[in-house]
Amino acid sequence: GIQVEQSPPDLILQEGANSTLRCNFSDSVNNLQWFHQNPWGQLINLFYIPSGTKQNGRLSATTVATERYSLLYISSSQTTDSGVYFCAVGGSQGNLIFGKGTKLSVKP
Amino acid sequence: GAVVSQHPSRVICKSGTSVKIECRSLDFQATTMFWYRQFPKQSLMLMATSNEGSKATYEQGVEKDKFLINHASLTLSTLTVTSAHPEDSSFYICSATDLSGVVGELFFGEGSRLTVL
Repeated sequence: GIQVEQSPPDLILQEGANSTLRCNFSDSVNNLQWFHQNPWGQLINLFYIPSGTKQNGRLSATTVATERYSLLYISSSQTTDSGVYFCAVGGSQGNLIFGKGTKLSVKP
Repeated sequence: GAVVSQHPSRVICKSGTSVKIECRSLDFQATTMFWYRQFPKQSLMLMATSNEGSKATYEQGVEKDKFLINHASLTLSTLTVTSAHPEDSSFYICSATDLSGVVGELFFGEGSRLTVL
């Protein structure tokens, strides 16, 4: 099956810093989503981005489908950005296959 | 985006009892819903695919007789953990896609944290 690898596994930032999270996947996909899991466990949809570039406020994402990777950019990080960021790609049943996540800690 | 709601958000039960978790699509119809499980500090793993009006399909290693799934309507799927044991303690999350929106984009419920004593 499709393998999804995220890096780095852990990231500690000072408030105000920028960061880039990476997601590599092993096969072509027709669906890729980025999520933020908050401390209560809820998954927040950040981007649906099987290809191209999107921006939403301080967050942006780029997927280069032909090279099988996606990047999530966080600019001017805030403490509320802390949590785990998951990349997930489309599976054969319409489900999502998740990477192991990047745990982000933003210090004040 | 589409809204998926789960209930209860947190449940504590004794070993040997059964627990039912509900997953509802609030503003759209979902012919298919997905149930995931997440152990502490781990990623989400697909347990089963819930299909409205038909039997669920389970991932390898997931016991269908232990995790009963019922998708009786286009807005409700239920997961029943039967004869729960401490090793079933986990975070259970459902998801669905709104076919009237961006096809393929999945939305997730708030999750249900099960603790079996």
